[in-house]
Amino acid sequence: EAEVAQSPRYKITEKSQAVAFWCDPISGHATLYWYRQILGQGPELLVQFQDESVVDDSQLPKDRFSAERLKGVDSTLKIQPAELGDSAMYLCASSRLAGFQETQYFGPGTRLLVL
Amino acid sequence: AQSVTQLGSHVSVSEGALVLLRCNYSSSVPPYLFWYVQYPNQGLQLLLKYTSAATLVKGINGFEAEFKKSETSFHLTKPSAHMSDAAEYFCAVTSHVRSNTGKLIFGQGTTLQVKP
Repeated sequence: EAEVAQSPRYKITEKSQAVAFWCDPISGHATLYWYRQILGQGPELLVQFQDESVVDDSQLPKDRFSAERLKGVDSTLKIQPAELGDSAMYLCASSRLAGFQETQYFGPGTRLLVL
Repeated sequence: AQSVTQLGSHVSVSEGALVLLRCNYSSSVPPYLFWYVQYPNQGLQLLLKYTSAATLVKGINGFEAEFKKSETSFHLTKPSAHMSDAAEYFCAVTSHVRSNTGKLIFGQGTTLQVKP
């Protein structure tokens, strides 16, 4: 069964450092999402890609976060500089198409701890 | 705007007992609703989804949910809890802001504890 891959699974960094997370969606899935999940809360969307284009990044803190999906396949989410409040689980999801009826499949996540 | 409220952040049941996890939604348009399960330090796994085809939706692992428009609810049930059901459960609705977006709006989650 195809799965969404994410790496690393865990990341510990010091504040003001740069961190990057990688996601490889299910093959053939055109839509890719990055969510942030703070401990004890539900995930919140950071950015949505359709192929290589950003569809929604309204909740992405653009002063420190960036995301790219250059060839419309895998994606990288970067934080620079990291702050204490960025400690969270970062989840990547993909769906075959964009649209509110589509099922999103989630990867295992990257747990970030900023010291 | 769509939103989801999960009543009860923590539910505890005995093994073999009925599981009931509550979810109420707010939506100005017909909603698409989802239940996901999350085990510790893992991603989210889809349990079931409502897409208006049938009001009673059956999912994996013996779970089902019933869409009740009059009550704006989509509660998750399972007749008999198993120890392996202990996890965090999230109800979600998709945003209808634009047709090309599939943003999931999640509730705060409910932790299910199953006692032996």
